[in-house]
Amino acid sequence: EAGVAQSPRYKIIEKRQSVAFWCNPISGHATLYWYQQILGQGPKLLIQFQNNGVVDDSQLPKDRFSAERLKGVDSTLKIQPAKLEDSAVYLCASSSSDWGPNNFGNGTRLTVT
Amino acid sequence: EDKVVQSPLSLVVHEGDTVTLNCSYEVTNFRSLLWYKQEKKAPTFLFMLTSSGIEKKSGRLSSILDKKELFSILNITATQTGDSAIYLCAVDTQGGSEKLVFGKGTKLTVNP
Repeated sequence: EAGVAQSPRYKIIEKRQSVAFWCNPISGHATLYWYQQILGQGPKLLIQFQNNGVVDDSQLPKDRFSAERLKGVDSTLKIQPAKLEDSAVYLCASSSSDWGPNNFGNGTRLTVT
Repeated sequence: EDKVVQSPLSLVVHEGDTVTLNCSYEVTNFRSLLWYKQEKKAPTFLFMLTSSGIEKKSGRLSSILDKKELFSILNITATQTGDSAIYLCAVDTQGGSEKLVFGKGTKLTVNP
């Protein structure tokens, strides 16, 4: 089966600019997650979708981050405006089970200068 | 606040050595503990543990959970250079939504 697809692979922007990441989960997976992984840290959950509804966005900085999953399939994560501390790898994951993500994409590495 | 602590943070060994990676946790509503291997890109799933004392095994890797003492270990025997990676421990907490809380990871380097 095809894995979780993410794009772009890398992105370099200046602070205060906007950026968007895209994720296409494994076909049929109802649950989709966005994680932020800062260098030297484990992934931190930003938002979890079940189909097209938000289940948990308690750690999403809502003043600058937004995410949507229209039609319950692929998803976009946006940052506007970006700050230096947003530099990280943004991982998307999907799951068909209810015990947590077990299928990660390769991530988008964001560098904010 | 839910917390997952891994030790050591980094480890350098020679091929053929056996290593033990540790993960301790303090979370509400524990559901399961998961181990992932992260090389350059996506974390890949290794094990999920839900019950104490039952060892999960896959080739040279094995893991066990102690729910009383709130920790898990991941063992790798006869290490190979291909085992070099970051090993992530995560705890699945169930409190209205599924949420994985990750530790910082253990960076394992296996030298030839």
